[in-house]
Amino acid sequence: QLQLQESGPGLVKPSETLSLTCTVSGGSMSSTNYYWGWIRQPPGKGLEWIGSIYYSGSTYYSPSLKSRVTISVDTSKNQFSLKLSSVTAADTAVYYCARRVVGFGSPIDYWGQGTLVTVSS
Amino acid sequence: DIQLTQSPSFLSASVGDRVTITCRASQGISSYLAWYQQKPGKAPKLLIYAASTLQSGVPSRFSGSASGTEFTLTISSLQPEDFATYYCQQLNSYPHTFGQGTKLEIK
Repeated sequence: QLQLQESGPGLVKPSETLSLTCTVSGGSMSSTNYYWGWIRQPPGKGLEWIGSIYYSGSTYYSPSLKSRVTISVDTSKNQFSLKLSSVTAADTAVYYCARRVVGFGSPIDYWGQGTLVTVSS
Repeated sequence: DIQLTQSPSFLSASVGDRVTITCRASQGISSYLAWYQQKPGKAPKLLIYAASTLQSGVPSRFSGSASGTEFTLTISSLQPEDFATYYCQQLNSYPHTFGQGTKLEIK
C-alpha cells in the first residue's frame, strides 16, 4: 500500500524559507506513471494547488506562488521536497503531498496525512 | 487560471436525503473534473474522476455528471458518514485549481 508522509518544521519565521519533504513508501518514485505534488489548506479554508513534479524533474507551479516555490525530487531516497521562500502569515496552512497518475485529466489518488506549518515570529 | 465555483457553499440535509452539489468552470475543461470528500483533520479522499467515473471502493450512492461547464455531484441517499466538505478540482490545465468547497451538515 502506497504511503506518503510529510516532514519538516512546524514553525517558520516570517521572511524565511519553508522546507518540507515527502517520503514515499510502498512504491517507487522512479516510475514513469506518476506526478508528485503539493497542495495546501489554510486553517478553516479551502484547498490550494501549489505545484507538481515528474520523476525526470519537470515541474509545474501555481502562477500565484511561482516566484517563491521550488519543488525537487530525489528518486534515490524516494522523496520529493517543497521550498517556499519569503513566507508570511498568509502561508500558514496544512501542507499535503500527493500523487497523481500520468494521463490527461487524471486525479490525485493518494494523499499524505498533511502537516501544519505556522508562520510566526 | 480556470476558476471553479461551487454551489452551495453550505448545505444542511438529513440522513436519507438526496443532495446535489454543483461546480461551474469558468471555461471548458472537457470532462477533466474530480470530486473529493474531506472530513475534519483528514486528507481529502477521491470520490469521482473524469466527471462521472466512480473511484474504486466508493459507494454507488455517489455519482457525477457533466453538462458543458457545469458539473454535479449527487449523493442519492445521505448516510451519517457523508457529512463532510466536498471539493471539485479541474485537471484540464495547470494550475489544477479547486473549487472553494461545499460543507454538508446534518439538519
